[in-house]
Amino acid sequence: DIQMTQSPSSLSASVGDRVTITCQASQDISNYLNWYQQKPGKAPKLLIYDASNLETGVPSRFSGSGSGTDFTFTISSLQPEDIATYYCQQYDNLYTFGQGTKLEIK
Amino acid sequence: QVQLQESGPGLVKPSQTLSLTCTVSGGSISSGSYYWSWIRQPAGKGLEWIGRIYTSGSTNYNPSLKSRVTISVDTSKNQFSLKLSSVTAADTAVYYCARVSLDTAMVFDYWGQGTLVTVSS
Repeated sequence: DIQMTQSPSSLSASVGDRVTITCQASQDISNYLNWYQQKPGKAPKLLIYDASNLETGVPSRFSGSGSGTDFTFTISSLQPEDIATYYCQQYDNLYTFGQGTKLEIK
Repeated sequence: QVQLQESGPGLVKPSQTLSLTCTVSGGSISSGSYYWSWIRQPAGKGLEWIGRIYTSGSTNYNPSLKSRVTISVDTSKNQFSLKLSSVTAADTAVYYCARVSLDTAMVFDYWGQGTLVTVSS
């Protein structure tokens, strides 16, 4: 099984801040990594696929990078509507989600 | 626009079998470009992938749940289903069905709204 370790588990930031979340895979997964945003009571929404590709319609303040075992998700300028929990997901071997990062406004 | 809708009992007794159905509309479940998956989320916790099925009926399951899970497909009804046996309180969660695109990075691109299943006597 491939384990995905996300950090931090929670994060408090101010509007306009640059926010970074990391995701580490337990083995090399190339770029087979996606990022999702989940708001309370809603299903997750795809933001980034293949580690760095922005899904159509997603604001450009969201970005992703990395390959192998280490990945980063960044919001360049935090907006109030970005308050949510973010998950990474690998698909190199079936699927595994990270444990999530809950983002709050300071 | 593709839509997925979960249905099934919201309350299941311990040791019994949880059964849910996902009805797909706006597209054919027989399309060869997708897997159809189940994911669950206990209250306040993260997402756990349960398993997937292809239109051919081929399945893959999360190793941690494999002994208790069965996913099946009914192409005539455009539905796929989940059965989870011998449930305990730990299986209490919101259960989502979702489509997995084979064309784009194995993304979960469409999700149902989720249905809460509580395991309790």
